[in-house]
Amino acid sequence: GENVEQHPSTLSVQEGDSAVIKCTYSDSASNYFPWYKQELGKRPQLIIDIRSNVGEKKDQRIAVTLNKTAKHFSLHITETQPEDSAVYFCAAGYNNNDMRFGAGTRLTVKP
Amino acid sequence: DTGVSQDPRHKITKRGQNVTFRCDPISEHNRLYWYRQTLGQGPEFLTYFQNEAQLEKSRLLSDRFSAERPKGSFSTLEIQRTEQGDSAMYLCASSLADPGGQYFGPGTRLTVT
Repeated sequence: GENVEQHPSTLSVQEGDSAVIKCTYSDSASNYFPWYKQELGKRPQLIIDIRSNVGEKKDQRIAVTLNKTAKHFSLHITETQPEDSAVYFCAAGYNNNDMRFGAGTRLTVKP
Repeated sequence: DTGVSQDPRHKITKRGQNVTFRCDPISEHNRLYWYRQTLGQGPEFLTYFQNEAQLEKSRLLSDRFSAERPKGSFSTLEIQRTEQGDSAMYLCASSLADPGGQYFGPGTRLTVT
């Protein structure tokens, strides 16, 4: 089955700086890679996703890149703001089946 | 509110008791997923349904866990003979079969004493 590893486990940046979170996956059949943001005590919220037929996707300050050959994908947040502070999870799976999640990255944006 | 809802939000039970949780997905979503999340970890896949059919169940899932989605709408997750290790947040999510991300409910926090 799929195995997803996520790094770093914690990340602290200054407001306005960029943040990058990286994930690797094991199953070459995986074709769907979403990212979730979870604030303390709240449900995970889908923030961006990418499919394996695309190498990069952007949505305002967030972007995701995918390298299928190396089986890794990354989340990039630019111009970070304190409200970006949360735990971020990557996930991988085939057609939204049996999604496997990474262990999460706790991002702290210092004002 | 047209999002995913779960009931109850909190459940405290004694070891050995049975508990049942309910999930109501987004109405047009035909897929429904159950996950378990413990502190500091990502959601752990338990099982999922497409309409009323249970298509996959985690190999790590104990026989004490069972899930149903009898009419392809809401789903229930039952845990029999609860153990302290079952204490966790149980999350439900729903999605369209493809494409589209999974949208999570608020979760049911289970505490087994």
